[in-house]
Parts: sequence; structure tokens; C-alpha cells
Amino acid sequence: GAGVSQSPRYKVAKRGQDVALRCDPISGHVSLFWYQQALGQGPEFLTYFQNEAQLDKSGLPSDRFFAERPEGSVSTLKIQRTQQEDSAVYLCASSPGLAMRTDTQYFGPGTRLTVL
Amino acid sequence: AQSVTQLDSQVPVFEEAPVELRCNYSSSVSVYLFWYVQYPNQGLQLLLKYLSGSTLVESINGFEAEFNKSQTSFHLRKPSVHISDTAEYFCAVSRYQGAQKLVFGQGTRLTINP
Repeated sequence: GAGVSQSPRYKVAKRGQDVALRCDPISGHVSLFWYQQALGQGPEFLTYFQNEAQLDKSGLPSDRFFAERPEGSVSTLKIQRTQQEDSAVYLCASSPGLAMRTDTQYFGPGTRLTVL
Repeated sequence: AQSVTQLDSQVPVFEEAPVELRCNYSSSVSVYLFWYVQYPNQGLQLLLKYLSGSTLVESINGFEAEFNKSQTSFHLRKPSVHISDTAEYFCAVSRYQGAQKLVFGQGTRLTINP
């Protein structure tokens, strides 16, 4: 009964580097969400997958952000040419259904990204 | 678009005292309402949610929240807090229609003093 896991838990990058953040959802969960949480703020939606299909990427802040979920399970959020404003905690959440409005989202512990 | 305002960034209270964490939302469409809790060094966990029906919803650990449509509020209350309630609390909404992406408030840090 493992929950949502994320790796790495902490990542320090130099400005301009590319980073990849991994999310392992709860097994069998169809829906997967990525959120960005800046210091002192609430999480903000980035993107949503239903199985392997990325159905909503309206929250991605720029074209430097890219997410994928090729086999409908593990997801990777990639940030190219990182900038200081990308420093935040990146949260992954999964839910069992097809983004059913009453499904609970289960959150991982997050990856704290610091860009120097 | 939806937005959520949590009126207090920090709330210090003494143990066994009552507490209210305030949440107001804005939306042009009907929404579902949630409270999530983040304990130190842990991920976000659902505390309670309002979907429909009775406007008063309760959690298993003594918290309750009341949906007030006219005031667009969903305040969280507990009559007597414990040290273990120390955490950050986030109010969130999602639309009735479309994918269940959550819109969060900025959070309220609840600190319990002995």
C-alpha cells in the first residue's frame, strides 16, 4: 500500500541546467496531477494526465516546462534551462478515476528544487 | 476562474482552545470545497470535503467545516485543539465541470502552544 512517491526529494541546480523530476503514482491510479508550490504560497496547478494522455497543460508557466507519462504510470516533469524563479516545491498527486470530480487526490512528499 | 483566500497566514492558539481557520472563495460556477493539511515533513493530506448535501462536514479527528454559499465561505473549526494539530492547512476548490484540478489558498499555519 505505498503512496505517491517522488524523487529526488531535493534538487539543487545551477541556473541554465536542465532537471527531471519523477513521480510514481499509486498503482492503478488513472489521473495524475503536477502542482508547483512557491515558498509561502499554496500549490498551483501545472498539468494533468489521464493515463498517458496529457489533457490539460494550461498551468505550465513557459515552454521550458515539459511533462510526460508515456506508459500511463510514472510521470516525469522536465524543466529546461532552469531559472531562479523556478525554485519551488513540485508536488505530484494521483487519483483513482477519470478525474472524477469527487475523487480524492493523494499527494506525494514533493521535490524541493533550488536554482542557484 | 476560481480563487481562494485564506484570511490568516498564521494562527497561534493554546492547547485545548477552540480555533477557526477562515476560507473564502470566488467562482462564477459551482465548485466543490476541500481542506487539506500538511504536517511537518509530510505531504498534503485530505482533511475533509464538501461535495453536496449537508453543508456541515466533519473529519475523523474532530475538525468540521461549514459551506456557506451566500458568504462564499468554507471556514474550518475545531472546538479543542491538540499539539498534534500543528500543521499548515490549505483550503481548495475545484469546478463541478471538467478535470478535478484544485485551486488552493495560500495556507494557514496553525501553531499550538502548550
